[in-house]
Amino acid sequence: NAGVTQTPKFRILKIGQSMTLQCTQDMNHNYMYWYRQDPGMGLKLIYYSVGAGITDKGEVPNGYNVSRSTTEDFPLRLELAAPSQTSVYFCASSLQGSGNTIYFGEGSWLTVV
Amino acid sequence: TQLLEQSPQFLSIQEGENLTVYCNSSSVFSSLQWYRQEPGEGPVLLVTVVTGGEVKKLKRLTFQFGDARKDSSLHITAAQPGDTGLYLCAGAAGTASKLTFGTGTRLQVTL
Repeated sequence: NAGVTQTPKFRILKIGQSMTLQCTQDMNHNYMYWYRQDPGMGLKLIYYSVGAGITDKGEVPNGYNVSRSTTEDFPLRLELAAPSQTSVYFCASSLQGSGNTIYFGEGSWLTVV
Repeated sequence: TQLLEQSPQFLSIQEGENLTVYCNSSSVFSSLQWYRQEPGEGPVLLVTVVTGGEVKKLKRLTFQFGDARKDSSLHITAAQPGDTGLYLCAGAAGTASKLTFGTGTRLQVTL
């Protein structure tokens, strides 16, 4: 059972570089999410999607972009990385919206230096 | 912006002790979830409560949703080292697809 798979698990970026965090789920879930978690804190929603072709901003979308061309994939793009984007990123999915079980990936540790 | 505050932030107790973690907000939620997160992993759902006053039990864990659906508590009886982790509450408002996560409570249970 793969569930939600994120890559890469660890990455170090230089200020101003760009990168894409990949996320795929094999549960045929409609909803997908990207969260970031800063040390010792809860999770903040970056972007979410309720289905292929539909995305919307969460609490902290600035500096990020997403796309949802398929049900399975929901990549997160960081343009012009900044030290403030150093965090742990979690992709997640659920069959329907909030109130349903949300399944999280294992996280991607990103450091911007 | 809806805020969920958890208390305490940190809790270190010995095996066998009881504890309660609180999750409070000034906002009303249609449902509230509790997650546990272990180091290096994503959060894992423990329970969802949807009705004001609802109480759910999961072995030694008891979850309660406040009558006004603005707060919740998690009570652990006879804590074990395996209960160690970060406990997060998360609230959903209306039909929104978004969860608001609490600030987290880090629990350490020692022998």
